[in-house]
Amino acid sequence: SAVISQKPSRDICQRGTSLTIQCQVDSQVTMMFWYRQQPGQSLTLIATANQGSEATYESGFVIDKFPISRPNLTFSTLTVSNMSPEDSSIYLCSVVDPSRGGVETQYFGPGTRLLVL
Amino acid sequence: ILNVEQSPQSLHVQEGDSTNFTCSFPSSNFYALHWYRWETAKSPEALFVMTLNGDEKKKGRISATLNTKEGYSYLYIKGSQPEDSATYLCARTNDYKLSFGAGTTVTVRA
Repeated sequence: SAVISQKPSRDICQRGTSLTIQCQVDSQVTMMFWYRQQPGQSLTLIATANQGSEATYESGFVIDKFPISRPNLTFSTLTVSNMSPEDSSIYLCSVVDPSRGGVETQYFGPGTRLLVL
Repeated sequence: ILNVEQSPQSLHVQEGDSTNFTCSFPSSNFYALHWYRWETAKSPEALFVMTLNGDEKKKGRISATLNTKEGYSYLYIKGSQPEDSATYLCARTNDYKLSFGAGTTVTVRA
């Protein structure tokens, strides 16, 4: 299984500022995703991070609010822009490598706990 | 978006007792169902990936069953221990994207 680290593990930010979250994987993976869990809600997919091209966003999420970079097959960043208290969530990155075929387990990082005041 | 539901939202179990809880999901165009265990400040840990109707998977004292025709899965914990305290998430796969339920939070009392 892939080992995934995230930075920062937690942060407290002021509204109107931006925070960039990093996700590092110990091996090259084909697919990387960003999820968030707002308090009392389900884990929800924000976007698929595509290596070398623009991320693919789910309904309700836009690039201006959540710009994503993926410069190579082991690293991605998610920025939460112009934050408001509603952005207080746990943000997780995940990876899956479908090249091995079959139904693949998706592995998650430990998450970034964000509180916006 | 796939509507995945879990019940109950939370439960308390006495150490040594067994328990189970439910995940329900749309049965049409089913591909796979995932179960995760998520402890505070840790990564969600993958428990099972299930694909076939009637699948049963087991990992130690934890097991799961799958009914794809009626759209539900049960997770069982046998002889609960304090280390089983966690939130258990199920998710249905749709083109590698996971649609999660809200989770069942299990607290095991010593």
